[in-house]
Amino acid sequence: LAKTTQPISMDSYEGQEVNITCSHNNIATNDYITWYQQFPSQGPRFIIQGYKTKVTNEVASLFIPADRKSSTLSLPRVSLSDTAVYYCLVGDPFSGGYNKLIFGAGTRLAVHP
Amino acid sequence: NAGVMQNPRHLVRRRGQEARLRCSPMKGHSHVYWYRQLPEEGLKFMVYLQKENIIDESGMPKERFSAEFPKEGPSILRIQQVVRGDSAAYFCASSPPGQAYEQYFGPGTRLTVT
Repeated sequence: LAKTTQPISMDSYEGQEVNITCSHNNIATNDYITWYQQFPSQGPRFIIQGYKTKVTNEVASLFIPADRKSSTLSLPRVSLSDTAVYYCLVGDPFSGGYNKLIFGAGTRLAVHP
Repeated sequence: NAGVMQNPRHLVRRRGQEARLRCSPMKGHSHVYWYRQLPEEGLKFMVYLQKENIIDESGMPKERFSAEFPKEGPSILRIQQVVRGDSAAYFCASSPPGQAYEQYFGPGTRLTVT
């Protein structure tokens, strides 16, 4: 599975837009990019997934350039409750009929008042 | 629709004892994954099961660890003769058939070995 690189930590303030970039230079043709969010003492929560261009849902947007070697998770107008660890994962969700998620260290986002 | 349930939430065991962690997947989900998370690290895949079948246990230590997902009842992760290095948070996730990319995680069981 493609290895991902993302910043260890980020700081932001309430109301700002936060963009977390993930590098995945060795992404394969069948790989998708998926982002999970984890609050302290909780299990991760699926945020968004995409293959190319832009994907948007009620929580976030995911921007993927044409070469797919990186992706950016965009959180609009963050609040204190968005303080969490954000994981970028890359893999083929349809290979073998199941998806063995490979988590890196993630990005610790701290939102300040 | 209740989410993924795990119990106990916290478990303390002395070295050499056995730990049993339970996971009830979401209703309608037949796929269960177990992950382990050490402090300040990301989750590590351990095992993937379907009802009565272990499909992929490539992330599980060969000794002392076992998992099952019986036809009836929760999935069980069993750790025999626990050691201090087993102290971690153990998360269970489930997914419905055909949607393996979106896994729903439980709250985890925090195992402390003293």
